[in-house]
Amino acid sequence: DAMVIQNPRYQVTQFGKPVTLSCSQTLNHNVMYWYQQKSSQAPKLLFHYYDKDFNNEADTPDNFQSRRPNTSFCFLDIRSPGLGDAAMYLCATSKSGWGVNTEAFFGQGTRLTVV
Amino acid sequence: AQRVTQPEKLLSVFKGAPVELKCNYSYSGSPELFWYVQYSRQRLQLLLRHISRESIKGFTADLNKGETSFHLKKPFAQEEDSAMYYCALRTGGFKTIFGAGTRLFVKA
Repeated sequence: DAMVIQNPRYQVTQFGKPVTLSCSQTLNHNVMYWYQQKSSQAPKLLFHYYDKDFNNEADTPDNFQSRRPNTSFCFLDIRSPGLGDAAMYLCATSKSGWGVNTEAFFGQGTRLTVV
Repeated sequence: AQRVTQPEKLLSVFKGAPVELKCNYSYSGSPELFWYVQYSRQRLQLLLRHISRESIKGFTADLNKGETSFHLKKPFAQEEDSAMYYCALRTGGFKTIFGAGTRLFVKA
């Protein structure tokens, strides 16, 4: 089954210790997104890649970085996690950003706990 | 400001009753609107989009530009419809803004 896979499903990290979340896709989609979703809140877009072009949302903290080494993989790096960064992190893909190809396909999410 | 508002955090209805999940948006441009659904222990997935004007699993949603609304409706709720529903607004380019979601609970 073509899909979006996030690893790990649950991640516990220490305050201030760098952590990386992973996302892979078998859909061969051009666009990959990272969303942050805190409890009872809407998913919030952090950034996206269109192919290799990286686009950061204006209000995404500098503490959050991303890498996309190839079409299939995308990583979310949190350089110095704070307690406020505990959340569900959702990876999504879309074929493109236009027309009927804007449907987003989501992974299962990684729940990050900061201790 | 671009915003999606889902006024109800929780909506509880009996099986067979009509259901309407409300969504209002704020956007000055031409909106592209979606409903996404998340069933228990499953990933978020697209339910329907306004440009398709289709009915999925008995659900329909009509874009009302005058009232800036995109309410999701189903005439007869089923227990399997119990899930979290998110309204989403695509504002051009690659940005999609989600509402906070409404949890629908269909009682037997």
